[in-house]
Amino acid sequence: AQSVSQHNHHVILSEAASLELGCNYSYGGTVNLFWYVQYPGQHLQLLLKYFSGDPLVKGIKGFEAEFIKSKFSFNLRKPSVQWSDTAEYFCAVTSGTYKYIFGTGTRLKVLA
Amino acid sequence: KAGVTQTPRYLIKTRGQQVTLSCSPISGHRSVSWYQQTPGQGLQFLFEYFSETQRNKGNFPGRFSGRQFSNSRSEMNVSTLELGDSALYLCASSARGPNLNTGELFFGEGSRLTVL
Repeated sequence: AQSVSQHNHHVILSEAASLELGCNYSYGGTVNLFWYVQYPGQHLQLLLKYFSGDPLVKGIKGFEAEFIKSKFSFNLRKPSVQWSDTAEYFCAVTSGTYKYIFGTGTRLKVLA
Repeated sequence: KAGVTQTPRYLIKTRGQQVTLSCSPISGHRSVSWYQQTPGQGLQFLFEYFSETQRNKGNFPGRFSGRQFSNSRSEMNVSTLELGDSALYLCASSARGPNLNTGELFFGEGSRLTVL
């Protein structure tokens, strides 16, 4: 069965620190990968997505993610976080079955 | 353009009761999917509908059911509620077509169910 693993459940950073959130999936075929973000009190929204092509994708608010097929990974990065990045981040994968598989989420707290 | 609307936003039920949650997708979106969100479990896929047909379902007991109407609005029902059903139930709509299984999900704010 497909699964998505997010290794960091809680991350605390100071403003201007660099961020990398890990995401690994288990599926051998063609996948589409996503990162969604849930800011406090708001609904989930798309941060970035990978379908094909350049494995380094850029999303909103300075976020980027790199798809490494050989490692089954799609890690999220941001060079310098801001207090407003405090949120919960979810990695998700979909592949030909009309359903998304989400990771358990990573709660990021950025200290001002 | 209005977003995904879920009702009710909050509800409290007791064990053994049943509950029906409603979701109105973004206008023009024909795909609606449902997820259960709990702390530590993330989002668990319940089912996905397209043009009134359930195309896939997750690993939930038969107490969880859903349907989609001709106007793409969707409902999910949970019968014989258990304490463990307490969760945030999220609906998402997508512009996915009949043969397209990818596409951005647009989420509603969810219905928070508490079972006592």
